[in-house]
Amino acid sequence: RKEVEQDPGPFNVPEGATVAFNCTYSNSASQSFFWYRQDCRKEPKLLMSVYSSGNEDGRFTAQLNRASQYISLLIRDSKLSDSATYLCVVSSGAGSYQLTFGKGTKLSVIP
Amino acid sequence: TAGITQAPTSQILAAGRSMTLRCTQDMRHNAMYWYRQDLGLGLRLIHYSNTAGTTGKGEVPDGYSVSRANTDDFPLTLASAVPSQTSVYFCASSDSSAGELFFGEGSRLTVL
Repeated sequence: RKEVEQDPGPFNVPEGATVAFNCTYSNSASQSFFWYRQDCRKEPKLLMSVYSSGNEDGRFTAQLNRASQYISLLIRDSKLSDSATYLCVVSSGAGSYQLTFGKGTKLSVIP
Repeated sequence: TAGITQAPTSQILAAGRSMTLRCTQDMRHNAMYWYRQDLGLGLRLIHYSNTAGTTGKGEVPDGYSVSRANTDDFPLTLASAVPSQTSVYFCASSDSSAGELFFGEGSRLTVL
């Protein structure tokens, strides 16, 4: 089983739709969880951290389920500018060098 | 603020030649990293450095070397390039306690 698994997509959704991405991780000792966003031919950038209690930032909501070892990202009211690849990232312990990236889920928001 | 600067942005290299990808940060972050990104494989860690003077191997270190003489610079060297090293290389840094990685814009390397 790969350490961090994501559905590669692509997800093609109309503007205004709600879309959800899931990510599973294999290391039950994982400590920290993140969602990064990567635009085509650009560098990844942090979208949001994922906390045990769940967290929301505008139209974006992240959830963590430690028992089932998965992380989710919900995007409400999709905009054209949300089109990108979303990377699930898991830290296995103290120290950022232990970050493992999923392969990413591609989202295309269609007018 | 520049953040992380990588050079060159793009390079075509003959197999067997050596190449150094440069990376400089101005955020005074302790930790720095080199990743490669390949279609279908995602981002994979090559080498990392938690602080100046120390380095460590990541998931795919073979064929690459790094040095960390000071806080700001973290060059990646390919001693004898092979076609399988064709990739997009990203340098990143972090305040290691926070976990967020800041990436450079990437260096696209083609080995022929």
